[in-house]
Amino acid sequence: KQEVTQIPAALSVPEGENLVLNCSFTDSAIYNLQWFRQDPGKGLTSLLLIQSSQREQTSGRLNASLDKSSGRSTLYIAASQPGDSATYLCAPPPHGNQFYFGTGTSLTVIP
Amino acid sequence: SAVISQKPSRDICQRGTSLTIQCQVDSQVTMMFWYRQQPGQSLTLIATANQGSEATYESGFVIDKFPISRPNLTFSTLTVSNMSPEDSSIYLCSGLQGGGDTQYFGPGTRLTVL
Repeated sequence: KQEVTQIPAALSVPEGENLVLNCSFTDSAIYNLQWFRQDPGKGLTSLLLIQSSQREQTSGRLNASLDKSSGRSTLYIAASQPGDSATYLCAPPPHGNQFYFGTGTSLTVIP
Repeated sequence: SAVISQKPSRDICQRGTSLTIQCQVDSQVTMMFWYRQQPGQSLTLIATANQGSEATYESGFVIDKFPISRPNLTFSTLTVSNMSPEDSSIYLCSGLQGGGDTQYFGPGTRLTVL
């Protein structure tokens, strides 16, 4: 079974700061990895999907990288805004298309 | 892409009763999943909803407690049976389109059991 760890568990930064969220996983036999955000009491919103053949994926102020060999992914958020406050989850699917999530990183961006 | 809706969005139920949550996708998906998120915790996969056959349950979840139906490629239901306060959670369904790429989630059903 895939085990996912996200560091830090919580992060509080002032508005405008750049930040990095880390995700590590135990089974590197993955074909993609997905980052989600979850607002309190809401479902998940997909942010970025990185295929195993890619090393990076960018969407606006978000950049995600994937290093399968080391079992790590990072999500970089540039110029953070209060609207970025949410919990961020990474999900590397093992074979079989079943997703196992870590506990996430709770981000607070202070105006 | 796929847009997923869930009904109800929230409910407050009495102990011992059952609630059925509906999940509707606006396009065909190859796989559908049901998750639970208990207060302060991350998502936990309950089961994979299989079209026309019994769902595949994760360890710790059983069909008698969480019966699931998936009559076609765009619809699924999850029933939470004989509820107790420990079942108070957000329940989310998700869909995976062909090719195993992006997973789409519904908005969730917030269940409170008194």
